[in-house]
Amino acid sequence: DVVMTQSPLSLPVTLGQPASISCRSSQSLVYSDGNTYLNWFQQRPGQSPRRLIYKVSSRDSGVPDRFSGSGSGTDFTLKISRVEAEDVGVYYCMQGTHWPRTFGQGTKVEIK
Amino acid sequence: EVQLVESGGGLVQPGESLRLSCSGSGFSFSSYTIHWVRQAPGKGLEFVSAIKSDGGATYYADSVEGRFTISRDNSKNTLYLQMTSLRPEDTAVYYCVKDSFLMDVWGQGTTVTVSS
Repeated sequence: DVVMTQSPLSLPVTLGQPASISCRSSQSLVYSDGNTYLNWFQQRPGQSPRRLIYKVSSRDSGVPDRFSGSGSGTDFTLKISRVEAEDVGVYYCMQGTHWPRTFGQGTKVEIK
Repeated sequence: EVQLVESGGGLVQPGESLRLSCSGSGFSFSSYTIHWVRQAPGKGLEFVSAIKSDGGATYYADSVEGRFTISRDNSKNTLYLQMTSLRPEDTAVYYCVKDSFLMDVWGQGTTVTVSS
């Protein structure tokens, strides 16, 4: 199975400051169609996961532009340019290239 | 509105069985691979099983292989997960999720508790 490794696992951030989460995969996530199926999800307390970013860097409709994704191959990053109170929650990366689909361990973002 | 709604969760004893259902609406259900993903209390997300759009291929996590069976009825826009020989470690919220590559739509989840 492809192992997805996130860091850090806990991220205390000051409101208005940037935040960055790293996600590394044990194999390349480039699929045979040329796409890289690396997605990012946000899970707020008590809610279902919600997709924020798909195919590395495409932002979902309604997702604030302070969220951005980047990376290639096996190394990916989710950035929040200025953290707001509503961004508190756990963030997961997930690969949709290989079977079985696998998730990172999750990064808990909290306000200092 | 694109929506997935899970049902069928509950409290069961170890060794018992349970069948979960997931009803899809607002999209062409029969065109998509659908997944089951679970989340144990206080833990992360774990792939459980998936089924291709026409039901022709299925996938399972090693932890449930041989105990869980995924199926679908595209005429009813419904996905199923038949769970047998349940164990305490199967306790989790079970989500159904649309699309294999992109996982763009998640249901609200149904809770399964396995305890004596």
